[in-house]
Amino acid sequence: DVKVTQSSRYLVKRTGEKVFLECVQDMDHENMFWYRQDPGLGLRLIYFSYDVKMKEKGDIPEGYSVSREKKERFSLILESASTNQTSMYLCASSRGALNQPQHFGDGTRLSIL
Amino acid sequence: AQKITQTQPGMFVQEKEAVTLDCTYDTSDPSYGLFWYKQPSSGEMIFLIYQGSYDQQNATEGRYSLNFQKARKSANLVISASQLGDSAMYFCAMREAGSGGYQKVTFGIGTKLQVIP
Repeated sequence: DVKVTQSSRYLVKRTGEKVFLECVQDMDHENMFWYRQDPGLGLRLIYFSYDVKMKEKGDIPEGYSVSREKKERFSLILESASTNQTSMYLCASSRGALNQPQHFGDGTRLSIL
Repeated sequence: AQKITQTQPGMFVQEKEAVTLDCTYDTSDPSYGLFWYKQPSSGEMIFLIYQGSYDQQNATEGRYSLNFQKARKSANLVISASQLGDSAMYFCAMREAGSGGYQKVTFGIGTKLQVIP
């Protein structure tokens, strides 16, 4: 079974801090994704990556950056955390074909105080 | 413009009845895939069903079927014989091939389904 592991289930940080959310997948998937999920807004794509060191902006990239130095790991970085980044963050991975579903991690509930 | 539109924030269905969850999409890409996911209150995202833009027949997976109307750009999920365990959020998603070959996946805002005993 595919496993997507997010480093923290819950995280509390302060405004202005640099925050790292880590995601690791064990199935050699080409594609990895970061979403944030907010009530009434569904899942919104922040960034995605289709190969090592390759990244593409999603729909809401402002205030975030990403890093993919190894195929299995995709990191989301909040450069200077703000309270409006309090949210549930979901990481996903998939094979790079159109018909391949995504496999999701359990999510990180991030609170910025 | 919204890529994926789900217009039903919440729905109720009687146990053992069928229910249709609506999804419309917007893309100019001829090659795309449509997905439905279920998210129970526990939070995990569960893949349910897939439909490709070139597929001639509607997809089916057990009690789930996808009513694909390409000209209308709709991909409604039909759940037959609803069960209490079907109570969850349901998300429609679209994967587009894109000009660079990479594949962006966007989601709708979801529909919360509650099954009544």
